[in-house]
Amino acid sequence: AQTVTQSQPEMSVQEAETVTLSCTYDTSENNYYLFWYKQPPSRQMILVIRQEAYKQQNATENRFSVNFQKAAKSFSLKISDSQLGDTAMYFCAFMKRVGAQKLVFGQGTRLTINP
Amino acid sequence: DAGVIQSPRHEVTEMGQEVTLRCKPISGHNSLFWYRQTMMRGLELLIYFNNNVPIDDSGMPEDRFSAKMPNASFSTLKIQPSEPRDSAVYFCASRQGLTNTEAFFGQGTRLTVV
Repeated sequence: AQTVTQSQPEMSVQEAETVTLSCTYDTSENNYYLFWYKQPPSRQMILVIRQEAYKQQNATENRFSVNFQKAAKSFSLKISDSQLGDTAMYFCAFMKRVGAQKLVFGQGTRLTINP
Repeated sequence: DAGVIQSPRHEVTEMGQEVTLRCKPISGHNSLFWYRQTMMRGLELLIYFNNNVPIDDSGMPEDRFSAKMPNASFSTLKIQPSEPRDSAVYFCASRQGLTNTEAFFGQGTRLTVV
């Protein structure tokens, strides 16, 4: 079974700063996907960024980027030039590429961006 | 498309009552997932369907929980009888096909059992 661990329950930074959220996972699979989802106070789960394990290049979406270390089973999210609207819960998630394609989530990190 | 639609948004019920949560997936999506979110346990997958067929229900807590997907545009999650420990936010999500990886979530149903 796969497990996803987010070791930072809460983080807080000032607006415009850069912040990195940590995520580690455990799996025996070789082909899989990793995701970061954002859950603002509205409760809506929003996909932030996706990484395919067979791609060595780290995914980037505007101010959001990941540091994917496959051997270390680490998948951190970096938010650059943080904005007040980035305040939310952030969840790291794992999904196998083949077979049961269900998302396995970490416990989440509550991120607060202060003005 | 309006996205994944869940109803109701909020539900308060008394212990022992039957509760039915509803979900309409995005049109054309053939995978549907029910998740439960609590402070203690985070986001847990309860069950997921592919082409209306339940594929994995290992996350369903106990026999009091049941889920159905009678057609491609509708699913229900039923709790009978409900208990206070069932209080949580229940999310429905849908995804298109096996190669499209993004799952789209509804806004969730906040269930409170008193």
